Amino acid sequence: EIVMTQSPATLSVSPGERATLSCRASQSVSSNLAWYQQKPGQAPRLLIYGASTRATGIPARFSGSGSGTEFTLTISSLQSEDFAVYYCQQYNNWPLTFGQGTKVEIK
Amino acid sequence: QVQLVQSGAEVKKPGASVKVSCKASGYTFTSYDINWVRQATGQGLEWMGWMNPNSGNTGYAQKFQGRVTMTRNTSISTAYMELSSLRSEDTAVYYCARKSDSDYWGQGTLVTVSS
Repeated sequence: EIVMTQSPATLSVSPGERATLSCRASQSVSSNLAWYQQKPGQAPRLLIYGASTRATGIPARFSGSGSGTEFTLTISSLQSEDFAVYYCQQYNNWPLTFGQGTKVEIK
Repeated sequence: QVQLVQSGAEVKKPGASVKVSCKASGYTFTSYDINWVRQATGQGLEWMGWMNPNSGNTGYAQKFQGRVTMTRNTSISTAYMELSSLRSEDTAVYYCARKSDSDYWGQGTLVTVSS
């Protein structure tokens, strides 16, 4: 199975600052990579699919990049509602696999 | 609007089975795969398997092979996930989600396994 590794585990950022989250796949997943945001007590929410396409209703401050094995989620200017856990997921091969998550917390 | 509404919380004893439902609305149920994902408290997301509601074809993560069964009733646009031989480690929130790049999720169903 493809192992997804996210870094860092925790990211401390001040509101208004830029956040950069990384996700690495153990083998190529092409552009079949999604990013999700999850807040406590809620289901995950799709942010990005196809490595770089924002899902419906997702603000432009969220952007995704990369292909193959290296991917990045960037939040250009953190808002209070962006503090959450972020997961990457590959859907190029079964089994689908998730990274372990990056928690974005208030600095 | 697209919605996936799951059944309510369950408490089960070790060795028992649980069946979680996921009712879809706002789109053609047979047009998109349904995936099942679980999350233990404080832990990450774990993919369990998928089902094609049109054909009924399924694919399961190896970890759950032999214990999980995913089915559907197209007449009521509902998918089901049944997990058997429950153990304490199966205590988690179980989610259904539409498509592999999951654009819509159910609200989650807490399954507690405790003697």
